[in-house]
Amino acid sequence: QVQLVESGGGVVQPGRSLRLSCAASGFTFSDYDMHWVRQAPGKGLEWVAVISYDKINKYYADSVKGRFTISRDNSKNTLYVQMNSLRAEDTAVYYCAKNSVVGVAGGVDVWGQGTTVTVTS
Amino acid sequence: DIQLTQSPSFLSASVGDRVTITCRASQGISSYLAWYQQKPGKAPNLLIYAASALHSGVPSRFSGSGSGTEFTLTISSLQPEDFATYYCQQLNSYPRTFGQGTKVEIK
Repeated sequence: QVQLVESGGGVVQPGRSLRLSCAASGFTFSDYDMHWVRQAPGKGLEWVAVISYDKINKYYADSVKGRFTISRDNSKNTLYVQMNSLRAEDTAVYYCAKNSVVGVAGGVDVWGQGTTVTVTS
Repeated sequence: DIQLTQSPSFLSASVGDRVTITCRASQGISSYLAWYQQKPGKAPNLLIYAASALHSGVPSRFSGSGSGTEFTLTISSLQPEDFATYYCQQLNSYPRTFGQGTKVEIK
């Protein structure tokens, strides 16, 4: 079945770095744009970043631009996000998500279970 | 950036009620809108895409409508499993902003 499994979350001090991974299975990973979405404790969803299926296009939320880098390895069916200069406000559950087969208008149709990042001194 | 405003933010309803949630965009987004349902401690699930298309496996009591700047999600007859938080997301441009959410609770 289609599955996304995030890993790499943890507790980190402000200013430090962390890399999250998302292992995909059950679909042709290299055919789909992939997203990161986060949710701070008790808050709503915040879209973080997207990478196109061919790695050519990347877009970021203003809140993470210049600090986070999204990437993918299609040979390993894995999505990444490198998070540098972490701040307390980056504390959240981070979800990996697959763009819909429908395309741009389809939204995100598969989500991982999430991995928790806590930024604290 | 496109802002999405959902109303209401909180809704108390009974099983069997008809429920409507509104999502307004700060600028026109054609039909590039999706709706998601999220239950506590779980990842969101896609309900509606392209403003009105029902995602595979989603019960037909869910429907979406609208275009341009105003959209609605309707649950025709609220079921116990529908008590959750609902989010709209615009798909017109990046950043792909979400609404602030509407929590549907049991009256």
